[in-house]
Amino acid sequence: QSVLTQPPSASGTPGRGVTMSCSGSSSNIGSNTVHWYQQLPGAAPKLLIYTNDQRPSGVPGRFSGSKSGTSASLAISRLQSGDEADYYCAAWDDSLNGPVFGGGTKLTVL
Amino acid sequence: QVQLQESGPGLVKPSETLSLTCTVSGDSITSYYWTWIRQPPGKGLEYIGYIFYTGSTNYSPSLRSRVSISVDTSKNQFSLELSSLTAADTAIYYCARLVSKRYNWFDPWGQGTPVTVSS
Repeated sequence: QSVLTQPPSASGTPGRGVTMSCSGSSSNIGSNTVHWYQQLPGAAPKLLIYTNDQRPSGVPGRFSGSKSGTSASLAISRLQSGDEADYYCAAWDDSLNGPVFGGGTKLTVL
Repeated sequence: QVQLQESGPGLVKPSETLSLTCTVSGDSITSYYWTWIRQPPGKGLEYIGYIFYTGSTNYSPSLRSRVSISVDTSKNQFSLELSSLTAADTAIYYCARLVSKRYNWFDPWGQGTPVTVSS
């Protein structure tokens, strides 16, 4: 059981958009920033979004993040087949004094 | 740019101790925090612990009794030891850079090294 809660799956069609959620508590998302990681099949995770809504260099503008209260969201617009991956949210947890992850959302592009 | 590379045995026996090393290139290990994360087959990511170059560490509560992370600044490496292994410790083990406790994202990651616990 992960500290952060993510739906196990999401899907969308090419060219359309999809949003996935990440729910936490006051000790993690509620008081700290959220980061998102993309894990393509057979690869290591890669930083996708940091500090709620910032994109590292090289990450397309189709990916965006937001946070409100104890929840966060990752939105992907203009879906492509190459976006099929597992997406993980993460945040610092003040109670645990360490980082925590969500269980991951597997995105399928139909 | 910064690159991380894990190394260690791919197969370890139950009850034994796993030892893995992460070699950092392109950056000094005396900056940032350095982390171990694992992923059991078909499952999500699990934080194991981090170390600062001074030797200060933080471990996941669920693994604290069995884990030790150390750093060798002369080799620009940090290492993981996990004792009393069981099949539940079978996973891909990743090392990653943690920018800071405030800027607490992991970037970059190593490619990961698979570890199987089996007799």
